[in-house]
Amino acid sequence: DAMVIQNPRYQVTQFGKPVTLSCSQTLNHNVMYWYQQKSSQAPKLLFHYYDKDFNNEADTPDNFQSRRPNTSFCFLDIRSPGLGDAAMYLCATSRDLVAGTWDPYEQYFGPGTRLTVT
Amino acid sequence: GNSVTQMEGPVTLSEEAFLTINCTYTATGYPSLFWYVQYPGEGLQLLLKATKADDKGSNKGFEATYRKETTSFHLEKGSVQVSDSAVYFCAFLSGGYNKLIFGAGTRLAVHP
Repeated sequence: DAMVIQNPRYQVTQFGKPVTLSCSQTLNHNVMYWYQQKSSQAPKLLFHYYDKDFNNEADTPDNFQSRRPNTSFCFLDIRSPGLGDAAMYLCATSRDLVAGTWDPYEQYFGPGTRLTVT
Repeated sequence: GNSVTQMEGPVTLSEEAFLTINCTYTATGYPSLFWYVQYPGEGLQLLLKATKADDKGSNKGFEATYRKETTSFHLEKGSVQVSDSAVYFCAFLSGGYNKLIFGAGTRLAVHP
């Protein structure tokens, strides 16, 4: 089955120790997203890639970076995790706009990586 | 600005009860509308969607109708089950921009 895969499902890191979360997809979608979801809150978009073009949200801290080496993989790097970065990190993918329209396709989410910072 | 307002939870129901979770949105134009469901410890799953006015999305017994005149997309189910216990998020996509705008989520607890 085509899907969005996130590894690991659970990650524990120490305060200030860099950590990388991984996302891969078999859907061949050209857009990939990273969301942060803190406990009992809605997901918040951090950034997204449209093919190789990186699009950062204005309020995403510099501590968060991303890489997309190819269509299938996307990584979230947290350079110096703080206690406030403990959250569920969700990867999502979508195709671009429906041809000839401004209608976007829906986003497909992975199962998430729960990050704990000690 | 763009936003989604959802009914506050938690919503607690007995099995086989009728469910309504209200959702209204503020957006430019007529965006595609979605309901996502999140089971404990899991990511988001698309439950249903509607892309234009008066469209009805439906899946697994859940329904929602895109009401342009009231900018609403209320989620309904005629008979809930314990397995429906989850957090439900209403969301929309603005045309030409892929950012999903989510509501705060509504936690549903269904008891036998």
